[in-house]
Order: sequence, then structure tokens, then C-alpha cells
Amino acid sequence: SQTIHQWPATLVQPVGSPLSLECTVEGTSNPNLYWYRQAAGRGLQLLFYSVGIGQISSEVPQNLSASRPQDRQFILSSKKLLLSDSGFYLCAWSPGTGPNEQYFGPGTRLTVT
Amino acid sequence: RKEVEQDPGPFNVPEGATVAFNCTYSNSASQSFFWYRQDCRKEPKLLMSVYSSGNEDGRFTAQLNRASQYISLLIRDSKLSDSATYLCVVNPNDYKLSFGAGTTVTVRA
Repeated sequence: SQTIHQWPATLVQPVGSPLSLECTVEGTSNPNLYWYRQAAGRGLQLLFYSVGIGQISSEVPQNLSASRPQDRQFILSSKKLLLSDSGFYLCAWSPGTGPNEQYFGPGTRLTVT
Repeated sequence: RKEVEQDPGPFNVPEGATVAFNCTYSNSASQSFFWYRQDCRKEPKLLMSVYSSGNEDGRFTAQLNRASQYISLLIRDSKLSDSATYLCVVNPNDYKLSFGAGTTVTVRA
């Protein structure tokens, strides 16, 4: 069966500091991978998605970036965090073909102070 | 116009009651439809896919009306554990999903 991991679970970072969040998927090959952010009391905002190694599509211009160095690894980064970057960051995967349902990792709760 | 719109609720219902709510979507070319459940401070989890003919999974029934572009979810015999936010999700293209902001359901004893 497939499993998706995210870490860390919670993070408190000062404004201007860098960020690196990691997501890995087990039990599947060539998944589509996604990063979302959910602000408190709000809906999910798609940040990036990837359909293959090295392929990144950005949905919202901001100070975040994403990379996919391996088939089942997806990384979200920032060089300098802003207060507005606080939120619940969720990684998700979906099968490369067929039904498009997505499966989410446990998320990282980021507070920028 | 938002791609997916939901009544945020909350819907407060007693245990054992039936609760139903809808969402509407704007892209008539959408092909796949889902309901997700999200508990407080947790990740969304797939509740069920929604098929054109309508489908049922235990106490949950989903319906799709393509002509009017809405999707419904009905929960029968509500349990306390059904308290959550229900996200309506639509697939407008192959890779991306559009999520509604969610409908909050609270089941009281």
C-alpha cells in the first residue's frame, strides 16, 4: 500500500529565515505530487505540482519554490520567510494515470514569528 | 466566480438525524468529482468519489447533477464521529483538483 510522509509536523521560524519541507511517497512509482497551503479557517490553495522528476508547475507567484530531485520526493523551500507564509502545508500524491483522487500527508503546521 | 462553491454551514444536527448539503462548480468540462472529509487540524481524507449515476457508501450518498453543475452529499443516521468539515472537490483537468472551502457539520448528542 502507498504511504506519504511529511516532516516536520510543526515548525516555528522567524521572519527572514529559510524553509525546507520534505515529502516522500512510498509504494508507488511516478506519482503526481502537489504542495498546498491552508491558512487558518480557509480552503486549500495549490502552490506547486509535479508530474515527473525535475518538472515543477507553479500556481501562485510568491517567495516559495519547489523541487523534485527524485521520483517520490518533493521539497518546498523558501529563502526568506514572510509572516504571511504561516499556515498548514500539505503534500499530496495522485496516480500518474487513471482516477485523479489525491491522497494527503499529515501536513506541516508552520508559524512564522 | 470560484471554481467550487459550498455553503460553509455550520450544520448542527442531533445524532441519528439526516443532513444534506450541496456544492456547485463552474467548469462544465469537469470529469471527476469527490467528497473529502477534514477533521480539525488534520489533513483531508478521501470520503468517496461521485459517479454520474449517484453512489452510496454505507450511510453516505453522493449525487451528481451535470446539467445544473452541482454535487450533493447526504449523511443518514448521523454519528458524533461524523462531525467534520466536508470538502467538495472537482477535477477540471488531468492534474489538478479544485477544492471548495468546506461545509462544517457538527453532530450533537
